[in-house]
Amino acid sequence: NAGVTQTPKFQVLKTGQSMTLQCAQDMNHEYMSWYRQDPGMGLRLIHYSVGAGITDQGEVPNGYNVSRSTTEDFPLRLLSAAPSQTSVYFCASSYSFPREQFFGPGTRLTVL
Amino acid sequence: KNQVEQSPQSLIILEGKNCTLQCNYTVSPFSNLRWYKQDTGRGPVSLTIMTFSENTKSNGRYTATLDADTKQSSLHITASQLSDSASYICVVSGGGANSKLTFGKGITLSVRP
Repeated sequence: NAGVTQTPKFQVLKTGQSMTLQCAQDMNHEYMSWYRQDPGMGLRLIHYSVGAGITDQGEVPNGYNVSRSTTEDFPLRLLSAAPSQTSVYFCASSYSFPREQFFGPGTRLTVL
Repeated sequence: KNQVEQSPQSLIILEGKNCTLQCNYTVSPFSNLRWYKQDTGRGPVSLTIMTFSENTKSNGRYTATLDADTKQSSLHITASQLSDSASYICVVSGGGANSKLTFGKGITLSVRP
């Protein structure tokens, strides 16, 4: 099993650009989520999904969209990047909530 | 308000020594408490997960304790190794209508030779 994979590993964007962070898992987990991690702060939940076709907002959803068309994939879209979205983004999955979560390796995003 | 407070913020110890990391929480009702290890530049990896009825759980040289009455947990690392240098994150899952994860800010541990 590859576990949770994320691409790209690093990305630099200009303000106003859009992009999609990819997340995939091969463990047949129903629950997937996106977090951002900023210095001096704990991980903050952006969006989550309890299964294919079902998504919901987390703590900091503004400026981000998600979709869940398959069990395996959970992409995160930045609609119009802003410097405040400079962060490290982690995708995580679990069999269900609140079971143990498995995290991906992260995407380091810089918005200039 | 759900909160998870970890202490100390950072810690430096010598290789081979033991250390204890603290986690206090105000999450209620409570479902479970997890400790994660996050190496620099990597995603968090689960060390232990404890429910209300569990007081102690071990994973190799890592031993977590939970006191649900005082809402405190600790992570004890025995005979530290250089590879233990990382950030340790305490995460509490609420129960019932409070079903969400609350993350601590993490404790940065540096193990020096």
